[in-house]
Amino acid sequence: EAQVTQNPRYLITVTGKKLTVTCSQNMNHEYMSWYRQDPGLGLRQIYYSMNVEVTDKGDVPEGYKVSRKEKRNFPLILESPSPNQTSLYFCATLSGTGNYGYTFGSGTRLTVV
Amino acid sequence: AQSVTQPDIHITVSEGASLELRCNYSYGATPYLFWYVQSPGQGLQLLLKYFSGDTLVQGIKGFEAEFKRSQSSFNLRKPSVHWSDAAEYFCAVGARAAGNKLTFGGGTRVLVKP
Repeated sequence: EAQVTQNPRYLITVTGKKLTVTCSQNMNHEYMSWYRQDPGLGLRQIYYSMNVEVTDKGDVPEGYKVSRKEKRNFPLILESPSPNQTSLYFCATLSGTGNYGYTFGSGTRLTVV
Repeated sequence: AQSVTQPDIHITVSEGASLELRCNYSYGATPYLFWYVQSPGQGLQLLLKYFSGDTLVQGIKGFEAEFKRSQSSFNLRKPSVHWSDAAEYFCAVGARAAGNKLTFGGGTRVLVKP
């Protein structure tokens, strides 16, 4: 089954404690992206990757890092989380050929206290 | 830069009544347009998408949307709402020329009255 897998689904952490949210896909898609969802703001893009070793900032990249060492994985790293990064995070991949469309993971709800 | 506006933050509709959710976009060329639904505590589910061709698009769960270039709109409709349609709905615009970035509106929360 084609899917995007995020872990963990829920995470509560303290300010300043580094964390990583993992994202893995089994569709061999080149394009991957991270979004955060906040009430009234919809989803906003944090970072995206066009292919392995190619990453770029989205609309709200401050406080986040990503890496793309292999095609299937695209982890989101918060080096020093702050309460304003409390949000619902989604990883997404894009099938840019054939049936063009995005596939989203199930989401990670992060709370920073 | 592309942008999406969903003017209605909340909509309350009676079960069995019709529903229309508004979406206006800004983009220089013909965009790719999407509607997603998010049930409480769930992820995003694609309802339908428009790339080109027939401007009336049929989706899942009985939803349809109409692309109107002259109005820069892509409104979502359903003739008869079911209680299970209570959710948040997001309109989104994407384009290959924009680096495949998907830009979302702020969402419309739909409440269904019995």
